[in-house]
Amino acid sequence: NAGVTQTPKFQVLKTGQSMTLQCAQDMNHEYMSWYRQDPGMGLRLIHYSVGAGITDQGEVPNGYNVSRSTTEDFPLRLLSAAPSQTSVYFCASTIDSSSGNTIYFGEGSWLTVV
Amino acid sequence: GQNIDQPTEMTATEGAIVQINCTYQTSGFNGLFWYQQHAGEAPTFLSYNVLDGLEEKGRFSSFLSRSKGYSYLLLKELQMKDSASYLCAVRDRDNAGNMLTFGGGTRLMVKP
Repeated sequence: NAGVTQTPKFQVLKTGQSMTLQCAQDMNHEYMSWYRQDPGMGLRLIHYSVGAGITDQGEVPNGYNVSRSTTEDFPLRLLSAAPSQTSVYFCASTIDSSSGNTIYFGEGSWLTVV
Repeated sequence: GQNIDQPTEMTATEGAIVQINCTYQTSGFNGLFWYQQHAGEAPTFLSYNVLDGLEEKGRFSSFLSRSKGYSYLLLKELQMKDSASYLCAVRDRDNAGNMLTFGGGTRLMVKP
């Protein structure tokens, strides 16, 4: 059971480059989300999706795009990387938004923008 | 928006008990979670509270008071492996599709 799979695990980008962080889950979860984690700031929600074809912005969406063409996949695109986007990125999924359902996290993607 | 506060760092001794507090403000409270995160790893689920009271799970317990916007995580018989960050997170049905909002995390250091 793979759970939530993120790739790549590590990436170094130059300022202005674009890239896509991949996220896939095999649990048939409807809800998927992307968080970034910076030192001392906990996890902040970037974008989320409540089902295929539906996405919405979280707390810190600027500079990122998402799409949800299938239930399984939820890629995060950096359009023009900036040093402020250096962070650890976590993809997460949950079956739905019922209060008791826990969230499953991917292993994280460490991104450095130079 | 959300406001979730927890101490930045705590230190405790192996074998002791430690309590990590979390206060929050929400308009549509829909559950509070505690996660453990070791350095360089993803958060892992520890506990969930939606009703007032204490939930016990082995060495870990979590308490919730909805009227006070307050929760704590209690760790008993501390072990060195408990050195990690502990993240308090809240679900708010009025915010961001009911996604979790996280506090900044409490970094716990367990000393021999």
